[in-house]
Amino acid sequence: DTEVTQTPKHLVMGMTNKKSLKCEQHMGHRAMYWYKQKAKKPPELMFVYSYEKLSINESVPSRFSPECPNSSLLNLHLHALQPEDSALYLCASSQVAISSYNEQFFGPGTRLTVL
Amino acid sequence: GIQVEQSPPDLILQEGANSTLRCNFSDSVNNLQWFHQNPWGQLINLFYIPSGTKQNGRLSATTVATERYSLLYISSSQTTDSGVYFCAGESNDYKLSFGAGTTVTVRA
Repeated sequence: DTEVTQTPKHLVMGMTNKKSLKCEQHMGHRAMYWYKQKAKKPPELMFVYSYEKLSINESVPSRFSPECPNSSLLNLHLHALQPEDSALYLCASSQVAISSYNEQFFGPGTRLTVL
Repeated sequence: GIQVEQSPPDLILQEGANSTLRCNFSDSVNNLQWFHQNPWGQLINLFYIPSGTKQNGRLSATTVATERYSLLYISSSQTTDSGVYFCAGESNDYKLSFGAGTTVTVRA
């Protein structure tokens, strides 16, 4: 099963809200990723988890807080977001992060709107 | 991450036409993927192709690693082929960098 699932599909939140995005994979992958995609732009890497440990943080503001509770789950906790954070948030997974073979598979995304 | 350039930025095709999309990358890659993003935002894996040639139905891809480019061929295009095609490459920093994409519109 080459599937990555994400919930919710859509999320509208105010600037003072706290919300979480969830991502799950059952492919036995040990690397998981968060990407942000603005309209008409390519995805941009935010975080990489390898074996449940944060290995790459692309200088993302602290109002985005990732969490990897186990090898199948990845969360992104959101707090005090700004309207410019409105975007499509994509989760991906791959067998391992530090490898010469690293095909990434993406979930359907969560479309976030910050009011 | 590496720099990835895609061309053309936009492509309009008549149904049944063939086309070639190109991706140039600034450094050698360990990982090179082609994706199709549908109107709902889902990134669909087309090819994992750091080198060589692969075919999948009407689509095929070739990567010439020594010359740092990859090509995606679409043959006998259909309206369902419309969408944005992304090339993404990963070098020794293990970060997947995307090109700006090619927006393909196939007209019936």
